[in-house]
Amino acid sequence: GENVEQHPSTLSVQEGDSAVIKCTYSDSASNYFPWYKQELGKGPQLIIDIRSNVGEKKDQRIAVTLNKTAKHFSLHITETQPEDSAVYFCAASIGSSYKLIFGSGTRLLVRP
Amino acid sequence: DAGVIQSPRHEVTEMGQEVTLRCKPISGHNSLFWYRQTMMRGLELLIYFNNNVPIDDSGMPEDRFSAKMPNASFSTLKIQPSEPRDSAVYFCASSREPDSQETQYFGPGTRLLVL
Repeated sequence: GENVEQHPSTLSVQEGDSAVIKCTYSDSASNYFPWYKQELGKGPQLIIDIRSNVGEKKDQRIAVTLNKTAKHFSLHITETQPEDSAVYFCAASIGSSYKLIFGSGTRLLVRP
Repeated sequence: DAGVIQSPRHEVTEMGQEVTLRCKPISGHNSLFWYRQTMMRGLELLIYFNNNVPIDDSGMPEDRFSAKMPNASFSTLKIQPSEPRDSAVYFCASSREPDSQETQYFGPGTRLLVL
């Protein structure tokens, strides 16, 4: 079945450094790739997404890249701040549907 | 605007008891999702409603689980009877358009513990 693998499971960076989280997916027909941030005690919140017709998307300090050939996509956070500390989930659509397969999550800790 | 509202936020019950989780989606949203989050299995889609109609319940683990959406403003997920392995955080999410890749807005979740 469809699968999304996410690495690393935990990531600790110094404030101001960059953080990179990587995901690979199995369904070559996937065309939508959102990233969610989940803070303690809260539900996941969308922070950025990318569609298969785009290779890169940026929103202030956050960027996502997509390599359709290799079937992997990455989240880049620059100039990290303590408030970036959270669990981040990648997801890939099943084909072109609304259904999402989520990665296992990355716990990011930004040290002040 | 209020986001997705879920109640209760925490539920502790004993094995065999009935559990009902409630969700109010964002006003105007036509799609509603119920997810379950556990350490072992991560975030899994249980059921999807489109304009109050259940479209895909392939993720519902077994007959002990049922979900309803009597109107556009309310949905329930019921577990009867509950078992310890049902312990998890249950999220409700809604999106504006049905059958599309619109952003899914998650509620705060209900943390369920079955003893």
